[in-house]
Amino acid sequence: GDSVTQMEGPVTLSEEAFLTINCTYTATGYPSLFWYVQYPGEGLQLLLKATKADDKGSNKGFEATYRKETTSFHLEKGSVQVSDSAVYFCALSAASGGSYIPTFGRGTSLIVHP
Amino acid sequence: EAGVAQSPRYKIIEKRQSVAFWCNPISGHATLYWYQQILGQGPKLLIQFQNNGVVDDSQLPKDRFSAERLKGVDSTLKIQPAKLEDSAVYLCASTSAVGQETQYFGPGTRLLVL
Repeated sequence: GDSVTQMEGPVTLSEEAFLTINCTYTATGYPSLFWYVQYPGEGLQLLLKATKADDKGSNKGFEATYRKETTSFHLEKGSVQVSDSAVYFCALSAASGGSYIPTFGRGTSLIVHP
Repeated sequence: EAGVAQSPRYKIIEKRQSVAFWCNPISGHATLYWYQQILGQGPKLLIQFQNNGVVDDSQLPKDRFSAERLKGVDSTLKIQPAKLEDSAVYLCASTSAVGQETQYFGPGTRLLVL
């Protein structure tokens, strides 16, 4: 079946450091790819998405590019802030019989120190 | 617009007891999802509804879990009887239309089984 693999956390960075969180996937067909973020005490919310190969999703300074050749969707940000501390989930959505079935990675915790 | 509502927010029960969770999606949202998120893991899809029909319930432990969405609006997830390993956060999410992939999540219900 479909699966999503994320790098183990926690990732600990100082403010203004560069961030990369790796995500690779296994899926049949051509899934859409997502990054969701969960801030402490809150529900998951969409951060960015890409629906086809070579698309780049971006939001709030975060970016990720859909790489079909490496089946990857790595999350990057050039300069992190303390407020970016959260858990980040990579996910895919695969078409199945007229609907879409989602699969999530296990999440990567990011801790940003001042 | 109001977000996805879930209740209760927290529940503590003893093993072999039963419990029910309620979800009210964003108004007009056709697709509704229930997930189980065990501590340190990503959300695992339990069941997906499209209006009041089941799209996917392949990972729902049907011997003890049940879910319904009778009028295609709000939904109830039940566990009977509960086991220790059911301790988790139960998330509800919805999408705006059939074929839309971006999910909107509720705050979750945290269940502890003693």
